[in-house]
Amino acid sequence: EIVLTQSPATLSLSPGERATLSCRASQSVSSYLAWYQQKPGQAPRLLIYDASNRATGIPARFSGSGSGTDFTLTISSLEPEDFAVYYCQQRSNWPQFTFGPGTKVDIK
Amino acid sequence: EVQLVESGGGLVQPGGSLRLSCAASGFTFSSYSMNWVRQAPGKGLEWVSYISSSSSTIYYADSVKGRFTISRDNAKNSLYLQMNSLRDEDTAVYYCAREWGETSFDYWGQGTLVTVSS
Repeated sequence: EIVLTQSPATLSLSPGERATLSCRASQSVSSYLAWYQQKPGQAPRLLIYDASNRATGIPARFSGSGSGTDFTLTISSLEPEDFAVYYCQQRSNWPQFTFGPGTKVDIK
Repeated sequence: EVQLVESGGGLVQPGGSLRLSCAASGFTFSSYSMNWVRQAPGKGLEWVSYISSSSSTIYYADSVKGRFTISRDNAKNSLYLQMNSLRDEDTAVYYCAREWGETSFDYWGQGTLVTVSS
């Protein structure tokens, strides 16, 4: 089973700052890595698929990079609505999917 | 507009059963694979089950295999999850999610809460 590890667990930043979130896989997942944003009481929202492709309607300040075992989600300049929990997800052994434990981005 | 609306959650005793439904609209339901994903209170996301567009391929997480059954009715634009032999650890919000390109989930319902407790 492929295990995803996310770091840091919590990221405390101010609006306007750059956020860099990491997701590491226990073995290669090629580019089959997605990122989601979840706010309290809401369903997750797809941000990035296939490591670097923005989903429909996602602002350009969100970008994804990486391949193999190391991936990064970058938010170039945090907006107030970006404070949330972010999950990575892999499908290397499709159709069995796994999620990382999440990174909480909160207001400093 | 794509919409997924879950229903059927509630309180059930350990060992009991529950059937969740997900009503889809705004897209050609029969063309998409669908999944169930759950989230225990205060915890992360856990994939539960997958069903292909024609129901020909079905997969389950090991944690629910043998107890849960996924199904769909393309004529009714509906997805289902029959949950039997429920355990305390099945307590979670259950989301139905549309699969995108065999890699991710692009639309999610609002979720339905299942509480397993005596």
